[in-house]
Amino acid sequence: EVQLLESGGGLVQPGGSLRLSCAASGITFSSYGMSWVRQAPGKGLEWVSTISGSGANTYYADSVKGRFTISRDHSKNTLFLQMNSLRAEDTALYYCAKISDGTGYSHFDYWGQGTLVTVSS
Amino acid sequence: EVVMTQSPATLSVSPGERATLSCRASQSVSIDLAWYHQKPGQAPRLLIYGASTRATGIPARFSGSGSGTEFTLTISSLQSEDFAVYYCQQYNKWPPGTFGQGTKVEIK
Repeated sequence: EVQLLESGGGLVQPGGSLRLSCAASGITFSSYGMSWVRQAPGKGLEWVSTISGSGANTYYADSVKGRFTISRDHSKNTLFLQMNSLRAEDTALYYCAKISDGTGYSHFDYWGQGTLVTVSS
Repeated sequence: EVVMTQSPATLSVSPGERATLSCRASQSVSIDLAWYHQKPGQAPRLLIYGASTRATGIPARFSGSGSGTEFTLTISSLQSEDFAVYYCQQYNKWPPGTFGQGTKVEIK
């Protein structure tokens, strides 16, 4: 059974940093691209970032480029999102999502339950 | 960036009735189109990928069609558990993998 478990969310002041983690189980982690998708309160889904299965290729939404960094640790089957220079508009539930193949650009076949990030003073 | 537009924003349907949801892309995405639904307080779940292929465990009452810029998700006979928000997503022109704004299917 595929399981994705996010952690690391919380309350942070504008300009601050957070590091999100997503522990994956039930899959050969290095074979699949992984993404972060966020959902602001009462809003729709917004793709944030993707990393290919090998980790060689990374992609970012314009809204987070230069501030967020996606990475993965194959020895720990864990996906990360380092978020710096946080803004109020980054407030959202952040989902970890598994991509159906290793390329990094396909549909999301499994999702975690999300971790909430609140940016406020 | 490909813009995905879903219609209608809200669809009121009685249980047992048919629901038809639309998704339009601002440029061709071939058949690289997925549908997800999201129930309140839950994560999204994959329903359809490749425009028409049902994901594992998805009932046959869900069907997808279309290609290029026009796509449709049909739920043949709505069950109580189907009342949710439905999102389409293109993954042909990446990045970004853009989502539509969602269609809420509510009980009439």
